[in-house]
Order: sequence, then structure tokens, then C-alpha cells
Amino acid sequence: DQQVKQNSPSLSVQEGRISILNCDYTNSMFDYFLWYKKYPAEGPTFLISISSIKDKNEDGRFTVFLNKSAKHLSLHIVPSQPGDSAVYFCAARHSGNTPLVFGKGTRLSVIA
Amino acid sequence: DAMVIQNPRYQVTQFGKPVTLSCSQTLNHNVMYWYQQKSSQAPKLLFHYYDKDFNNEADTPDNFQSRRPNTSFCFLDIRSPGLGDAAMYLCATSPHRGLEKLFFGSGTQLSVL
Repeated sequence: DQQVKQNSPSLSVQEGRISILNCDYTNSMFDYFLWYKKYPAEGPTFLISISSIKDKNEDGRFTVFLNKSAKHLSLHIVPSQPGDSAVYFCAARHSGNTPLVFGKGTRLSVIA
Repeated sequence: DAMVIQNPRYQVTQFGKPVTLSCSQTLNHNVMYWYQQKSSQAPKLLFHYYDKDFNNEADTPDNFQSRRPNTSFCFLDIRSPGLGDAAMYLCATSPHRGLEKLFFGSGTQLSVL
């Protein structure tokens, strides 16, 4: 039972354009969401997060949007760069020392 | 640089032969996690230690055990590996439990022959 769903296994975007990675969740108790980025042969690294009290969080080229009513969040990367090519994992948790629940990931390829 | 280190990078074992994966950290974090990730699947939490307090996930098979002899080291023991246990095993740390990001090692890719 996937509580965090990333329905697109892969995405290709041209360099300089916007990349939009989507994530849906089913557990309404989730109140904190994170995106991780993973290069081949490396572990996932934290990218950006958002609390459920916000609907947007921005960090440089990366912006995460949260739509609680739709149980949907998205990661926008603009402009996309070849170095952004990686697997992106969406993760969620709810308060109370609960562990992170991950999605299956989306492989982003940014084409020069 | 402070980091999370997993050894070995690749591990091959035989069906039924016990295997141990190791993780060390220089971050002095209280919490250490073990995740299992099979191909094209989401990382799945097996268990975590909050300091010396061991927390097993309900659906983690008994075949999987863990030890944390000190703050820096954590081991994953698979007592009798089956073919279905072939996966990437990721170790992660965090300063405390709660709304905080995890720091991951590079993982150990386990193959079972």
C-alpha cells in the first residue's frame, strides 16, 4: 500500500526549461514533506522540504508546492541544468517521531 | 568531512549464508536507520536506533537483525539471506527523531547467489 506515490518513473526536459516532478500521498496525517535527490552510486541527499502549514517553499532554482486538499505536492526546477539529472524521491512523515515514507522516485534527465 | 560511510559498496553472498553490512558516521547523530531499496521501488525502513533504543518496523522479517555497539557504528545482519533479499541497503542518520532531514550513506548493493 503506497502512501507516497510518484506516478512518473521518468521525465526528460531540455536544459533551461522547467522541470516539474509530482508526488501524491494518501495519508492525511502527513504534515511534513521532503524531496531527496540521488545520483548513481551515491546515497540520497536532502534537497528541500515543506511543512503543511505552508503551500510553497523556495530555495534558489528549486520550489516545492503543496496542495493539501488534493494531497499533492510538486517540485519545480527552473531553469533545469544537466547536473540536475538524477532520481528524485518524495518523502513524507507525520508528527510524533514517525519515520519517513518514501515514493519510488522519478528519474529526471536534463538534455543539453 | 562529516559523513555516513557504508562498507562494502558491493557484497555478494550465498543463499543461506549469514552476511553483515556495516555503517559508520562521524556526524555524532543520535538516530541511525536502515532502509532496504529494491530495484525501482521506494526505500523501505527496516528499523532504526534512537541512541541505544532499537525500533523494529512491524513488517521487517525476523531474518534481519541490527546491532549498534556505539554512537558511531551500526550493523545490519541478515541471518539466512534469500534471493528476495538482494537489494540496495541504505544507512541514514539524523540528529534526533522528528521533523528533520536524514543523511544517507552511499549504500551497499547486496547480491545473493
